[in-house]
Amino acid sequence: EAAVTQSPRNKVAVTGGKVTLSCNQTNNHNNMYWYRQDTGHGLRLIHYSYGAGSTEKGDIPDGYKASRPSQENFSLILELATPSQTSVYFCASGDPLGSQDTQYFGPGTRLLVL
Amino acid sequence: GEKVEQHESTLSVREGDSAVINCTYTDTASSYFPWYKQEAGKSLHFVIDIRSNVDRKQSQRLIVLLDKKAKRFSLHITATQPEDSAIYFCAASRNSNNRIFFGDGTQLVVKP
Repeated sequence: EAAVTQSPRNKVAVTGGKVTLSCNQTNNHNNMYWYRQDTGHGLRLIHYSYGAGSTEKGDIPDGYKASRPSQENFSLILELATPSQTSVYFCASGDPLGSQDTQYFGPGTRLLVL
Repeated sequence: GEKVEQHESTLSVREGDSAVINCTYTDTASSYFPWYKQEAGKSLHFVIDIRSNVDRKQSQRLIVLLDKKAKRFSLHITATQPEDSAIYFCAASRNSNNRIFFGDGTQLVVKP
């Protein structure tokens, strides 16, 4: 079974502060994704990556940066956090060249920006 | 880009009955259609998928139907049990780059 972990699991930040959400996968998947989940919006894609060194903008990238320093790690960075970024964030990994196209999700990070 | 719509935001059924969740998509190039389940307070996990080379797939009590002409697919859960209560997300993807487009989710409640 694929393993995706996220840290921290819960985070309280202040408006204007910097927040870094981390994701690690041990599946050797090329692709990794960051989503946020809000009531009434389902899952929305923020950034994704095709491999180490690559980052791509998703559907709602404004206010977020991403970093993929290695195959295993993918970070989401909020340089200047705002209350509108209060949400649950999910990281996922997937391998389009593998036997399945499915994505494996991490446990999520609850972020509250005050 | 692709847009996936889930027609039922909530669905309530009696234990033992069948539940059907319907989705439509817009991109004719989509060829992979996974479904994910999210239990209360937890993350999403994959439950079943279907590819465009078939129109029906079954895994135990889960059946997925695909109508490519209508760009519609559905998840049928037979003999529902309380543990089936969750949010179910349908999704669509082209195989080429593995980007998956999700619907907004259907909250399924199975009443005893």
